[in-house]
Amino acid sequence: NAGVTQTPKFQVLKTGQSMTLQCAQDMNHNSMYWYRQDPGMGLRLIYYSASEGTTDKGEVPNGYNVSRLNKREFSLRLESAAPSQTSVYFCASRVRAQFGPGYTFGSGTRLTVV
Amino acid sequence: AQRVTQPEKLLSVFKGAPVELKCNYSYSGSPELFWYVQYSRQRLQLLLRHISRESIKGFTADLNKGETSFHLKKPFAQEEDSAMYYCALANAGGTSYGKLTFGQGTILTVHP
Repeated sequence: NAGVTQTPKFQVLKTGQSMTLQCAQDMNHNSMYWYRQDPGMGLRLIYYSASEGTTDKGEVPNGYNVSRLNKREFSLRLESAAPSQTSVYFCASRVRAQFGPGYTFGSGTRLTVV
Repeated sequence: AQRVTQPEKLLSVFKGAPVELKCNYSYSGSPELFWYVQYSRQRLQLLLRHISRESIKGFTADLNKGETSFHLKKPFAQEEDSAMYYCALANAGGTSYGKLTFGQGTILTVHP
């Protein structure tokens, strides 16, 4: 049981380049989330998908887009990377949005934009 | 708007000493609260959720609605408890249900 799998684990981009962070879960969870982790700021929600077919903005959505490709996969795209997007990105999933077991997190993607 | 505050960025204790990591929240409805732990550069792991009232690795946390707090406690700290701890609140209603808001985190260091 792999849980939540994120790829790649590390990435270096030049300013203006684009890339897609992949996230997949094999737990048949309905809800999926993308967070970024920055020193002194905790984790901040970028986008989330409460169920297949829906996506909503979180706290810091600017500069990002998402796609809930199917129930398993939830990708995060940076169209034109900026140094301010240097961060560690975590994907998470939950069986349902409310009062279910806790959220399961992926191992993270360390992104550096130069 | 929901908010989670962890007032201590750093907390140091000696092995065997009691430890308390503070968490306060603001939320207009009934909160769903969690503690997550992150060991060095690893993924976040669920430690506790208030609904289950369980004790994991000797840690407990009680929801105090009057003080809007969900402090994490352990009577005797161990060196392996050294990690980053996050308190988090889930939005349990409305159109944005399921959103998890994190505090800024507390780095716990347990000295031998």
